[in-house]
Amino acid sequence: AQKVTQAQTEISVVEKEDVTLDCVYETRDTTYYLFWYKQPPSGELVFLIRRNSFDEQNEISGRYSWNFQKSTSSFNFTITASQVVDSAVYFCALSPPGSGSRLTFGEGTQLTVNP
Amino acid sequence: KAGVTQTPRYLIKTRGQQVTLSCSPISGHRSVSWYQQTPGQGLQFLFEYFSETQRNKGNFPGRFSGRQFSNSRSEMNVSTLELGDSALYLCASTQTGTLNEQYFGPGTRLTVT
Repeated sequence: AQKVTQAQTEISVVEKEDVTLDCVYETRDTTYYLFWYKQPPSGELVFLIRRNSFDEQNEISGRYSWNFQKSTSSFNFTITASQVVDSAVYFCALSPPGSGSRLTFGEGTQLTVNP
Repeated sequence: KAGVTQTPRYLIKTRGQQVTLSCSPISGHRSVSWYQQTPGQGLQFLFEYFSETQRNKGNFPGRFSGRQFSNSRSEMNVSTLELGDSALYLCASTQTGTLNEQYFGPGTRLTVT
């Protein structure tokens, strides 16, 4: 069975601060995929990144960066110089190969960026 | 390209009734997945349809069912509604369902009274 844990239920920061969202996962599969999604107040989940378990390179996309460490089963997400528009719920998700589009989501982290 | 659309956006039903929700995927996408989101249980996978066939199913009772049509549009049905079925139901589509990024719709907010 797979499990994704996002221990931070809520995080509140002031604009321009850096913030890291933690994600820890459990799986018996040797190959799997990890995802991050953003859910703004409108409710629609927005895809941010997909990472293959064989690729442990960190990734940076603008103000966003992801740190994948297979040894600690973590896939953390950092927002640099946060902005008010970053306020949303962020979900980490896991999917083993062969499961089609089935995702196991974490509980989500509510990020509030205050001006 | 139009995104994933879900209808209706909001729905209020009474316990014991049944409900049908609709999802139109992005043009060209053949896989449609459904998720239930509640404050207590979070986001949970319901089922996935690909080329009109159910390919995956989550751990939900048989009251939850779905289908997919030849144009890839999908419907999910919940019979004998319970108060605990109140949730945001999200639909997602991908081209083939093989871990391409999923595009989610805005969801249908179902309230059972």
